[in-house]
Formats: sequence, structure tokens, C-alpha cells
Amino acid sequence: KAGVTQTPRYLIKTRGQQVTLSCSPISGHRSVSWYQQTPGQGLQFLFEYFSETQRNKGNFPGRFSGRQFSNSRSEMNVSTLELGDSALYLCASSLAGQGNTGELFFGEGSRLTVL
Amino acid sequence: DQQVKQNSPSLSVQEGRISILNCDYTNSMFDYFLWYKKYPAEGPTFLISISSIKDKNEDGRFTVFLNKSAKHLSLHIVPSQPGDSAVYFCAASEKLGNEKLTFGTGTRLTIIP
Repeated sequence: KAGVTQTPRYLIKTRGQQVTLSCSPISGHRSVSWYQQTPGQGLQFLFEYFSETQRNKGNFPGRFSGRQFSNSRSEMNVSTLELGDSALYLCASSLAGQGNTGELFFGEGSRLTVL
Repeated sequence: DQQVKQNSPSLSVQEGRISILNCDYTNSMFDYFLWYKKYPAEGPTFLISISSIKDKNEDGRFTVFLNKSAKHLSLHIVPSQPGDSAVYFCAASEKLGNEKLTFGTGTRLTIIP
């Protein structure tokens, strides 16, 4: 079955702009999580959505937000972009429930460059 | 505050030998630990996991060891193969099924043919 799909794969924005990233989870997966990867920082948890509700949130400012739709697809938005927001944004889906092994299935990521 | 630490940014190992990747954590609430492997331009892929009730879990060439008292885990790859060259991330969560994972900064493993 198809894996986690993220769009766009690459994008360039300027400071002050806003950006929306999209994620389509694996069919049947109800949980979608977002992570930010920057050099030297590893992957940092942004938030997790399950059944259209934010279930967990990391330590990021309010400029970072997300949502999940009834078909489990998710979007994340970053407003008032800063240079430090340049990163690879990774989306992951999981079964989140009975049968959940704790394994996250990651997409290839959206690489955001802020100039 | 880095709650999961991988102190070796890189590691080079001869093909056929054992690769040992280390990870330390500080949060005693962590209950479940995972290793992910990442190739360039791809998302991380799950490798192996271990619950805090165990001290060892094995899957083929991969074995993860957990020392709860030392808050330390390690991933052993035997024998190492060129296809194992990748960045390896250690991750931890406070319970199985909690999608909020805390990741280390990764160790780049290079297998020398």
C-alpha cells in the first residue's frame, strides 16, 4: 500500500511569509505526527493529531499550527516565517490504537528554506 | 535540554565486523525505546524497539540492549553490511503507542567495504 505522502517536497519562502505543508497518511492510519529536523538538533516533535483532534504538542511557538481532516490527511502551517524555521519537516502516521507497535511510518519530508 | 543523547556523531566500521551505536537518556519516565534508520532524501524507517520490561530484543542482524539503571541503550549490528551505511536515530517515548517520540541527534554509520 502507498506510504506517507508529503507535499511539497521542496519550497523556498522569505521571512515574514507563511507556509502550509500537507501530509497524507497510510490508508487506515488515524494518527498523524509532525517533526522538525534541523542539523545538530535531531528530530523534534511538533504535534500529533488523532481523529481531527490535537492529542500531543511539543515545545514550539504558536506560529506553528496544524489540523487534521476527517480523512486523516493533515496540514501544518507556519506563520511569520523566521530564518531558523529552515528545516526538513517530517510527517509520520501510525495505527494509534489496538495493534499499535509504537512504530511511526515517516514520509520523505518537506524541505523548507527561509531566506 | 537534550533528553536523548547520541554522543557519537559518526562511526566507521569494517564490513563484516560488529557496529555498536550508543544512546543515553535522562528522563526516567521513558518506557519504550526505538531505533530508526535514515538514508539521504528519505524519511526515517523503523528498525527495532524495546520495552523497558526487557533488557534485550533481537531481530536478525540487529539487537538492542537496554540498561535501565544506567539509562543507556545500544544497537548492535552483526555482521555489518555496506547497505547499513545510514544515519541511526535513537528515540524514546513515555509509553507504547505514544506518538510523541523524543529523538537523539543521530549517528552517521559508514560501513567500509
